[in-house]
Amino acid sequence: GENVEQHPSTLSVQEGDSAVIKCTYSDSASNYFPWYKQELGKGPQLIIDIRSNVGEKKDQRIAVTLNKTAKHFSLHITETQPEDSAVYFCAAKQKVPGKSTFGDGTTLTVKP
Amino acid sequence: DGGITQSPKYLFRKEGQNVTLSCEQNLNHDAMYWYRQDPGQGLRLIYYSQIVNDFQKGDIAEGYSVSREKKESFPLTVTSAQKNPTAFYLCASSASSPDTQYFGPGTRLTVL
Repeated sequence: GENVEQHPSTLSVQEGDSAVIKCTYSDSASNYFPWYKQELGKGPQLIIDIRSNVGEKKDQRIAVTLNKTAKHFSLHITETQPEDSAVYFCAAKQKVPGKSTFGDGTTLTVKP
Repeated sequence: DGGITQSPKYLFRKEGQNVTLSCEQNLNHDAMYWYRQDPGQGLRLIYYSQIVNDFQKGDIAEGYSVSREKKESFPLTVTSAQKNPTAFYLCASSASSPDTQYFGPGTRLTVL
C-alpha cells in the first residue's frame, strides 16, 4: 500500500516569512496530491491540490510543487500571517483502489 | 447550503456500549469515507464506500461497522470490540470526478 511521510512535524516562523512542508510517497501510481488545513476541533479544509500531470500550482500565497521522479511534493506558504497557524496535512491518492493516505501532519505556528 | 454534516459534535458513552455516528451529505457525491484521528496523528481510514450498497475496509476497520443504504448517508457504528474508541472521527465525501475529498466538522467520541 501507499506510505506518506511528512516533515517537519512542527514549524515555527515569524510573520512575513515563508514556510515549506514536504511530503514523500511510495506508490508511483498515486496521481492526486491534496493539502489540507485543520484548525483546532474542526474538520480539515482543502487549501490546494495537484495532479500527477502537473509540476506546480499556485493560488495567491500558497503553492504546491510535485516531483514525480523523486516521489515528493511540497507546500509553500509565502508572507505568512498569524491566521495561517494550524495543522497541515498532505495526502496521496492511489489510482487503485481509489483511497487516500495521509501524512501525520505539520503544526505551523506563525509568530506575530 | 451544500455540505457534509456530522452529529453529534461530542458524544460520551460507557465502555461496552455500541454507538453510531451520523454522516450526511447533500453534495450528490458517490464516495464517502470514515477516518479516525488521534491527538498529534494523521487521519487513518476506517471504511470507505464508492457506491450505494457497497463498502470496503480501510486500514483500521476492526471494531467498526458501516452501512450505505442511501447515497447521502454513511453511518459508522463503533462496537464494543473496538479496544480504544476514544478519538476524533471525521467523515468525508467525494465525487467520481473530480475526486477531491471534502470533510465534515467531526465527532469527538469519549468512552468512559
